Amino acid sequence: QKEVEQNSGPLSVPEGAIASLNCTYSDRGSQSFFWYRQYSGKSPELIMFIYSNGDKEDGRFTAQLNKASQYVSLLIRDSQPSDSATYLCAVRVASGYALNFGKGTSLLVTP
Amino acid sequence: DAGVTQSPTHLIKTRGQQVTLRCSPKSGHDTVSWYQQALGQGPQFIFQYYEEEERQRGNFPDRFSGHQFPNYSSELNVNALLLGDSALYLCASTETSRASYEQYFGPGTRLTVT
Repeated sequence: QKEVEQNSGPLSVPEGAIASLNCTYSDRGSQSFFWYRQYSGKSPELIMFIYSNGDKEDGRFTAQLNKASQYVSLLIRDSQPSDSATYLCAVRVASGYALNFGKGTSLLVTP
Repeated sequence: DAGVTQSPTHLIKTRGQQVTLRCSPKSGHDTVSWYQQALGQGPQFIFQYYEEEERQRGNFPDRFSGHQFPNYSSELNVNALLLGDSALYLCASTETSRASYEQYFGPGTRLTVT
């Protein structure tokens, strides 16, 4: 069973719209949750992290965590073409220090 | 404030050879993790070093080994290279004392095995 699942996309949204990216995880004891953005040919860039149930906002980004449903999401408001990238969901394992990553969701913001 | 640095940027090796990749963590960080990212996949955890010791290891064979130096920099060594080892190798650093434990990635080393 895949530990971190993401829809591979591509998710296409028009410029100015809200992009919603979703992630589910299997390890109920997972502690911390991260969203990374990865442009083609580049390394992942950390954009948000969350470890308490509820919402966490940072600029145009909002991370949402629901531990009971084992679900974490990322909302991007006022999407821009420069947001077009692959978004990776990562979960810190309960038993250690590693991050388990999903395969990523490709986001395309069209002008 | 320098971020995570890695060298070299690109590397081409022949099957059966050995390779060493290098990483310097972000200033103030004491922990280094290594990940392998194949094309179209998320990064896969190889191992993590803290206080110059391997603290946790992922599902990778013993051909993959590492080291951490007193200045917190780290090396990843891969012996007996296989074609399947071709990937982007990412180093990530963190400060172990931080409860949030966020990891920051370097630019990566693109390894091609022919």
